Amino acid sequence: QQPVQSPQAVILREGEDAVINCSSSKALYSVHWYRQKHGEAPVFLMILLKGGEQKGHEKISASFNEKKQQSSLYLTASQLSYSGTYFCGTGGSEKLVFGKGTKLTVNP
Amino acid sequence: NAGVTQTPKFRVLKTGQSMTLLCAQDMNHEYMYWYRQDPGMGLRLIHYSVGEGTTAKGEVPDGYNVSRLKKQNFLLGLESAAPSQTSVYFCASSWTAIQPQHFGDGTRLSIL
Repeated sequence: QQPVQSPQAVILREGEDAVINCSSSKALYSVHWYRQKHGEAPVFLMILLKGGEQKGHEKISASFNEKKQQSSLYLTASQLSYSGTYFCGTGGSEKLVFGKGTKLTVNP
Repeated sequence: NAGVTQTPKFRVLKTGQSMTLLCAQDMNHEYMYWYRQDPGMGLRLIHYSVGEGTTAKGEVPDGYNVSRLKKQNFLLGLESAAPSQTSVYFCASSWTAIQPQHFGDGTRLSIL
Protein backbone atom coordinates (compact mmCIF):
# COMPACT_ATOMS: atom_id res chain seq x y z
CA GLN A 1 0.00 0.00 0.00
CA GLN A 2 1.31 3.38 -1.05
CA PRO A 3 2.66 5.52 1.82
CA VAL A 4 1.12 8.96 2.30
CA GLN A 5 3.37 11.99 2.12
CA SER A 6 2.57 15.42 3.54
CA PRO A 7 2.57 18.17 2.61
CA GLN A 8 2.09 17.74 -1.14
CA ALA A 9 4.02 20.93 -1.81
CA VAL A 10 5.94 23.52 0.17
CA ILE A 11 7.54 26.82 -0.77
CA LEU A 12 10.42 28.20 1.27
CA ARG A 13 12.77 31.11 1.25
CA GLU A 14 16.45 30.29 1.32
CA GLY A 15 17.55 29.59 4.88
CA GLU A 16 14.16 28.39 6.15
CA ASP A 17 13.48 24.92 7.52
CA ALA A 18 11.01 22.28 6.34
CA VAL A 19 9.66 18.93 7.44
CA ILE A 20 8.27 16.28 5.10
CA ASN A 21 6.29 13.41 6.56
CA CYS A 22 5.73 9.86 5.33
CA SER A 23 3.10 7.60 6.87
CA SER A 24 2.19 4.01 6.19
CA SER A 25 -0.76 1.83 7.20
CA LYS A 26 1.53 -1.20 7.15
CA ALA A 27 4.36 -2.09 9.50
CA LEU A 28 7.58 -0.65 8.17
CA TYR A 29 10.83 -2.51 7.81
CA SER A 30 12.76 0.30 6.21
CA VAL A 31 12.19 3.80 4.84
CA HIS A 32 14.13 5.26 1.92
CA TRP A 33 14.28 8.92 0.92
CA TYR A 34 15.06 10.16 -2.61
CA ARG A 35 15.14 13.57 -4.27
CA GLN A 36 14.29 14.17 -7.90
CA LYS A 37 14.98 17.38 -9.78
CA HIS A 38 12.84 18.28 -12.76
CA GLY A 39 13.67 16.16 -15.79
CA GLU A 40 16.20 14.04 -13.92
CA ALA A 41 16.33 10.65 -12.24
CA PRO A 42 15.67 10.21 -8.51
CA VAL A 43 18.79 10.37 -6.36
CA PHE A 44 19.24 8.49 -3.11
CA LEU A 45 19.40 10.52 0.12
CA MET A 46 19.24 8.03 2.98
CA ILE A 47 17.82 4.80 4.35
CA LEU A 48 16.44 4.24 7.83
CA LEU A 49 15.88 0.81 9.27
CA LYS A 50 13.42 -0.01 12.02
CA GLY A 51 14.73 0.97 15.43
CA GLY A 52 13.89 4.68 15.54
CA GLU A 53 17.28 5.82 14.31
CA GLN A 54 17.98 9.22 12.93
CA LYS A 55 20.35 9.86 10.08
CA GLY A 56 21.89 12.92 8.54
CA HIS A 57 23.11 13.99 5.14
CA GLU A 58 24.57 17.51 4.93
CA LYS A 59 21.79 19.63 6.50
CA ILE A 60 19.16 17.01 5.77
CA SER A 61 18.25 14.48 8.41
CA ALA A 62 15.48 11.96 8.96
CA SER A 63 13.82 10.01 11.71
CA PHE A 64 11.90 6.77 11.71
CA ASN A 65 9.22 5.98 14.30
CA GLU A 66 8.47 2.30 13.91
CA LYS A 67 5.54 2.29 16.34
CA LYS A 68 3.77 5.15 14.57
CA GLN A 69 4.78 3.76 11.16
CA GLN A 70 6.07 7.19 10.22
CA SER A 71 9.23 8.81 8.96
CA SER A 72 10.05 12.49 8.75
CA LEU A 73 12.64 14.28 6.63
CA TYR A 74 14.09 17.47 8.09
CA LEU A 75 15.65 20.10 5.84
CA THR A 76 17.56 22.71 7.83
CA ALA A 77 18.64 26.12 6.55
CA SER A 78 17.42 25.26 3.06
CA GLN A 79 19.52 26.07 0.02
CA LEU A 80 18.41 26.72 -3.55
CA SER A 81 19.83 23.32 -4.48
CA TYR A 82 17.30 21.61 -2.21
CA SER A 83 14.50 22.34 -4.66
CA GLY A 84 12.95 19.24 -6.16
CA THR A 85 10.45 16.52 -5.41
CA TYR A 86 11.11 14.30 -2.41
CA PHE A 87 9.88 10.73 -2.34
CA CYS A 88 9.74 8.29 0.51
CA GLY A 89 9.78 4.58 -0.23
CA THR A 90 8.69 2.00 2.29
CA GLY A 91 10.41 -1.31 2.07
CA GLY A 92 9.76 -4.94 2.55
CA SER A 93 12.14 -7.78 1.89
CA GLU A 94 12.28 -7.37 -1.88
CA LYS A 95 10.89 -4.04 -3.06
CA LEU A 96 9.87 -0.50 -2.24
CA VAL A 97 6.53 1.25 -2.52
CA PHE A 98 6.95 4.97 -3.14
CA GLY A 99 4.73 7.81 -2.02
CA LYS A 100 3.40 10.38 -4.48
CA GLY A 101 6.07 12.89 -3.54
CA THR A 102 6.42 16.32 -1.94
CA LYS A 103 7.43 19.19 -4.20
CA LEU A 104 9.82 21.56 -2.46
CA THR A 105 10.59 24.97 -3.93
CA VAL A 106 13.29 27.12 -2.39
CA ASN A 107 13.29 30.76 -3.49
CA PRO A 108 16.07 33.33 -2.99
CA ASN B 1 31.59 4.17 -14.37
CA ALA B 2 28.30 4.15 -16.32
CA GLY B 3 26.02 2.90 -13.49
CA VAL B 4 22.55 2.23 -14.90
CA THR B 5 22.00 2.83 -18.62
CA GLN B 6 18.58 2.89 -20.26
CA THR B 7 17.98 2.52 -23.99
CA PRO B 8 16.32 4.31 -25.76
CA LYS B 9 15.93 7.73 -24.12
CA PHE B 10 12.89 8.74 -26.17
CA ARG B 11 10.42 6.82 -28.29
CA VAL B 12 7.11 7.46 -29.99
CA LEU B 13 4.92 4.47 -30.81
CA LYS B 14 1.58 3.94 -32.44
CA THR B 15 -1.16 2.06 -30.60
CA GLY B 16 -0.73 -1.67 -31.01
CA GLN B 17 3.01 -1.58 -31.76
CA SER B 18 5.45 -3.50 -29.62
CA MET B 19 8.82 -2.53 -28.24
CA THR B 20 11.46 -3.45 -25.69
CA LEU B 21 13.20 -1.12 -23.25
CA LEU B 22 16.67 -2.14 -22.21
CA CYS B 23 18.26 -1.54 -18.82
CA ALA B 24 21.92 -2.36 -18.25
CA GLN B 25 23.89 -1.99 -15.00
CA ASP B 26 27.61 -2.42 -14.44
CA MET B 27 27.60 -2.59 -10.62
CA ASN B 28 26.96 -6.33 -10.34
CA HIS B 29 23.71 -5.64 -8.48
CA GLU B 30 21.37 -8.52 -7.78
CA TYR B 31 18.12 -6.52 -7.65
CA MET B 32 16.67 -4.66 -10.61
CA TYR B 33 13.41 -2.74 -10.93
CA TRP B 34 11.22 -1.13 -13.58
CA TYR B 35 9.07 1.85 -12.56
CA ARG B 36 6.74 4.14 -14.42
CA GLN B 37 6.28 7.76 -13.41
CA ASP B 38 3.16 9.73 -14.26
CA PRO B 39 2.38 13.28 -13.09
CA GLY B 40 1.20 13.30 -9.48
CA MET B 41 1.47 9.52 -9.11
CA GLY B 42 5.01 9.07 -7.87
CA LEU B 43 7.03 6.03 -8.90
CA ARG B 44 5.00 2.89 -9.41
CA LEU B 45 6.69 -0.49 -9.62
CA ILE B 46 5.92 -2.50 -12.75
CA HIS B 47 8.12 -5.60 -12.36
CA TYR B 48 11.28 -6.45 -10.51
CA SER B 49 13.95 -9.11 -10.29
CA VAL B 50 15.94 -10.36 -7.29
CA GLY B 51 18.54 -12.16 -9.38
CA GLU B 52 19.41 -13.57 -12.77
CA GLY B 53 16.59 -15.66 -14.18
CA THR B 54 13.97 -14.36 -11.71
CA THR B 55 11.14 -11.89 -12.20
CA ALA B 56 8.15 -10.81 -10.11
CA LYS B 57 5.14 -8.54 -10.51
CA GLY B 58 4.96 -5.13 -8.92
CA GLU B 59 2.02 -2.78 -8.43
CA VAL B 60 1.12 -2.17 -12.09
CA PRO B 61 2.28 -5.18 -14.17
CA ASP B 62 -0.60 -5.45 -16.66
CA GLY B 63 0.42 -4.92 -20.29
CA TYR B 64 4.14 -5.42 -19.59
CA ASN B 65 6.52 -8.36 -19.59
CA VAL B 66 10.12 -8.59 -18.40
CA SER B 67 13.12 -10.85 -18.69
CA ARG B 68 16.42 -11.11 -16.81
CA LEU B 69 18.48 -13.59 -18.79
CA LYS B 70 21.76 -11.95 -17.79
CA LYS B 71 22.50 -10.44 -14.39
CA GLN B 72 23.43 -7.05 -15.82
CA ASN B 73 20.39 -6.65 -18.09
CA PHE B 74 16.70 -6.23 -17.36
CA LEU B 75 14.34 -5.91 -20.33
CA LEU B 76 10.85 -4.43 -20.25
CA GLY B 77 8.50 -5.34 -23.09
CA LEU B 78 5.27 -3.83 -24.30
CA GLU B 79 3.51 -6.37 -26.50
CA SER B 80 0.70 -4.15 -27.75
CA ALA B 81 1.20 -0.54 -26.74
CA ALA B 82 -1.76 1.51 -25.50
CA PRO B 83 -2.05 5.28 -24.95
CA SER B 84 -2.38 4.62 -21.19
CA GLN B 85 1.23 3.41 -21.26
CA THR B 86 2.49 6.85 -22.19
CA SER B 87 4.86 7.61 -19.33
CA VAL B 88 8.43 8.06 -18.19
CA TYR B 89 10.01 4.69 -17.40
CA PHE B 90 12.84 4.36 -14.91
CA CYS B 91 15.04 1.38 -14.29
CA ALA B 92 16.89 0.99 -10.99
CA SER B 93 19.25 -1.50 -9.41
CA SER B 94 20.53 -2.27 -5.92
CA TRP B 95 22.47 -4.89 -3.96
CA THR B 96 19.48 -5.75 -1.79
CA ALA B 97 16.06 -4.30 -0.98
CA ILE B 98 17.53 -2.28 1.89
CA GLN B 99 20.42 -0.84 -0.07
CA PRO B 100 20.20 2.38 -2.14
CA GLN B 101 18.61 2.09 -5.53
CA HIS B 102 20.57 3.57 -8.43
CA PHE B 103 18.36 4.94 -11.18
CA GLY B 104 18.89 5.27 -14.91
CA ASP B 105 18.11 8.54 -16.68
CA GLY B 106 14.71 7.33 -17.82
CA THR B 107 12.93 6.59 -21.10
CA ARG B 108 10.22 8.97 -22.26
CA LEU B 109 7.65 6.93 -24.13
CA SER B 110 4.69 8.40 -26.01
CA ILE B 111 2.00 6.22 -27.53
CA LEU B 112 -0.30 7.80 -30.07
